[in-house]
Amino acid sequence: DVVMTQSPLSLPVTLGQPASISCRSSQSPVSTDGNTYLNWFQQRPGQSPRRLIYEVSRRDSGVPDRFSGSGSGTDFTLKISRVEAEDVGVYYCMQSLHWPWTFGQGTRVEIK
Amino acid sequence: QVQLVESGGGEVQPGGSLRLSCAASGFSFGVYPMHWVRQAPGKGLEWVARLSHDATSVQYLDSVRGRFTVSRDNSKNTFYLQMKSLRPDDTAVYYCAKDSINWSVDFWGQGTLVTVSS
Repeated sequence: DVVMTQSPLSLPVTLGQPASISCRSSQSPVSTDGNTYLNWFQQRPGQSPRRLIYEVSRRDSGVPDRFSGSGSGTDFTLKISRVEAEDVGVYYCMQSLHWPWTFGQGTRVEIK
Repeated sequence: QVQLVESGGGEVQPGGSLRLSCAASGFSFGVYPMHWVRQAPGKGLEWVARLSHDATSVQYLDSVRGRFTVSRDNSKNTFYLQMKSLRPDDTAVYYCAKDSINWSVDFWGQGTLVTVSS
């Protein structure tokens, strides 16, 4: 199975400051069609996951533009330009090219 | 708007069976593959299974293959997960999720808790 490794696992951030989460995959999620099937999900406390980003950098409708995704090959990053209180939660990367689809361990974002 | 409502969770003894349902609305259910994803208490997300829109293609997590079966009834807009030979490590909140066609999942239900314990 493809192993997704996130870092850090815990990220205390000051309100208004940027945050960055890294995700590394043991196999590239780049398809023969040229697309890269790397996604980011947010799970707020007590809620279901919500997709933020798909195909590395495509933001879902309604997702604030302070969230951005980047990367290529096997290294990917989710950035929050200015953390707000509503951003508290756990963030997961997921590769969706190879079966079984696999998630990273999750990165817990909290306010300092 | 897309709604996915899971039901059927509960407590079951090891070796027991349970069937989860996911009632879908707000989109053309019969067009989209569907997924089950689970989350053990206090743990991360684990993809479990995917069923194509017409139920002709299925993928499973190795640890559930042969014990879990996914199915769907497009006339009822409902997606199912039949679970047999349940083990304590199957204890989790089970989410159904809608495929977004471009190899991802874009909407999740609220989840239903399955507890396997003697």
